[in-house]
Amino acid sequence: AQSVSQHNHHVILSEAASLELGCNYSYGGTVNLFWYVQYPGQHLQLLLKYFSGDPLVKGIKGFEAEFIKSKFSFNLRKPSVQWSDTAEYFCAVSNDYKLSFGAGTTVTVRA
Amino acid sequence: KAGVTQTPRYLIKTRGQQVTLSCSPISGHRSVSWYQQTPGQGLQFLFEYFSETQRNKGNFPGRFSGRQFSNSRSEMNVSTLELGDSALYLCASSLVGSTEAFFGQGTRLTVV
Repeated sequence: AQSVSQHNHHVILSEAASLELGCNYSYGGTVNLFWYVQYPGQHLQLLLKYFSGDPLVKGIKGFEAEFIKSKFSFNLRKPSVQWSDTAEYFCAVSNDYKLSFGAGTTVTVRA
Repeated sequence: KAGVTQTPRYLIKTRGQQVTLSCSPISGHRSVSWYQQTPGQGLQFLFEYFSETQRNKGNFPGRFSGRQFSNSRSEMNVSTLELGDSALYLCASSLVGSTEAFFGQGTRLTVV
């Protein structure tokens, strides 16, 4: 069975700091990869996705992620965070009509 | 375009009761999937439906069931509720052939 690991449970940083969240998956075949964000009290929203092609994908709100096939990784980055980026972030892999999610990383940005 | 709509938003039920949750997908989306979100277990896949057929099912007991109607709307049912069933139940819809899922606000179920 495939699994998704997110390296950090809780990240606390100050505004303007850079953010990098790690994600590794265990699946040898073709994968579709996603990062979702859940702001407090809101529904899960898609930040970005990777299906194929350029391994560096750009998403909404200044986020980007890099797919490294050899490392089975799909790390999320943002050069400069804002207070409004406080949320929970989920990495997910799609296979067989379902999404397998990581445990999530809570990001707290201090003003 | 309206998003995924889940009703009700909140439910309080007693142990042993049963509950039915409803999901209306985005117009044109024919695939509907359900997830359970809890602090301890995170987001776990329940099942996925397309054209009224269940194509995949997660590792949940048979008390959890679902169905999809011809208009793509979906319902999930949990019978003989247990305290551990307290969770946020999320519904997501997708276009045919797409793996990109759009989520609803969820139904918060509390079992007392």
